[in-house]
Amino acid sequence: DSGVTQTPKHLITATGQRVTLRCSPRSGDLSVYWYQQSLDQGLQFLIHYYNGEERAKGNILERFSAQQFPDLHSELNLSSLELGDSALYFCASSFRTSYNEQFFGPGTRLTVL
Amino acid sequence: GIQVEQSPPDLILQEGANSTLRCNFSDSVNNLQWFHQNPWGQLINLFYIPSGTKQNGRLSATTVATERYSLLYISSSQTTDSGVYFCAAGANQAGTALIFGKGTTLSVSS
Repeated sequence: DSGVTQTPKHLITATGQRVTLRCSPRSGDLSVYWYQQSLDQGLQFLIHYYNGEERAKGNILERFSAQQFPDLHSELNLSSLELGDSALYFCASSFRTSYNEQFFGPGTRLTVL
Repeated sequence: GIQVEQSPPDLILQEGANSTLRCNFSDSVNNLQWFHQNPWGQLINLFYIPSGTKQNGRLSATTVATERYSLLYISSSQTTDSGVYFCAAGANQAGTALIFGKGTTLSVSS
């Protein structure tokens, strides 16, 4: 158990819908990262938040957004869902920066029908 | 940006065999991690090793930062070692992201 929690574990929804994925970092960690794992793209970095502020963006679509709340939990919002958004979404946390070891949550498996 | 390449892509072993997985990266790194993704999809941290050598039971890892590669050694493999092994690197040019390789799929049979 990495100490990073993600909910829900599985999510099945239809095209055009909007979903919210939730992540709680390890106790004491200030950074939260979101990654997407798909069969064709592999594991890709989406976005990084540090202590409530956005620090870096990767290959995140405009239909996707995220935020980190004062209690340091984070949410990833995916809207206008397409079939191609079906993937495993991971949240990771680290103490401060990317120099520190990142620990991954169990992931949320999203299926868009 | 930084490129991370892993080899071999696939590895099939008998229980008890030893193996070496390689990770090459194209630039200097400030973070290098090895993960095992189990059949349930969970990413398990194996090593945080931007440089040097570490050992944890039957697993060990070495990163030679100046030559831009890292090696993961698995000794006396067990069926529970099966899964996908990922190397991921962090570098200043990549911002704060971990850049993942495509992974090595290991199958250990009894």
